[in-house]
Amino acid sequence: RKEVEQDPGPFNVPEGATVAFNCTYSNSASQSFFWYRQDCRKEPKLLMSVYSSGNEDGRFTAQLNRASQYISLLIRDSKLSDSATYLCVVNKGGYQKVTFGTGTKLQVIP
Amino acid sequence: GAGVSQSPSNKVTEKGKDVELRCDPISGHTALYWYRQRLGQGLEFLIYFQGNSAPDKSGLPSDRFSAERTGESVSTLTIQRTQQEDSAVYLCASSLAATEVRQPQHFGDGTRLSIL
Repeated sequence: RKEVEQDPGPFNVPEGATVAFNCTYSNSASQSFFWYRQDCRKEPKLLMSVYSSGNEDGRFTAQLNRASQYISLLIRDSKLSDSATYLCVVNKGGYQKVTFGTGTKLQVIP
Repeated sequence: GAGVSQSPSNKVTEKGKDVELRCDPISGHTALYWYRQRLGQGLEFLIYFQGNSAPDKSGLPSDRFSAERTGESVSTLTIQRTQQEDSAVYLCASSLAATEVRQPQHFGDGTRLSIL
């Protein structure tokens, strides 16, 4: 089983739609979690950290489910500019080696 | 402030040549990472530095790959006797002290390496 797994997509959604992605992780000792976004041929950029109690940043909501070992990202009112690949990142702690998922591709359609 | 800086941004070289890629992390970031990303693929971890030490070299794909870091700052990734399968974008990232597990990584723009 991969350390971090994501549905590669693509998720094709109309503008204004709500879309959610999940990411599962295998190591129950994982300590911190992030969502990054990567535009085509660009470097990954931090979107948001994921906190145990869940957190929101504008149209984006991140949640952590430790019992089932997954994190989720919810995007409300999708914009064309949200089109990108969303990478799930899990940190096992220790010397902070992180594992990146292979990403979920989102395409927002006009 | 300045972000992670990588150079060159693009490198085209012939098979068999050696290449050196450079990364300048964000000032004060003691942790530094190298990743490789092939076209259409996910990030592949190569090596991690804490200060000038590399506690984890497990991702280096072969002994043709090496990396060093000096002054807890600049890092270089060297690929000897390049092969066509080395063609990829090489990304560098840095973060604050490794003891702070919640610190995210910040990426440079990457070096796009093409082996002819």
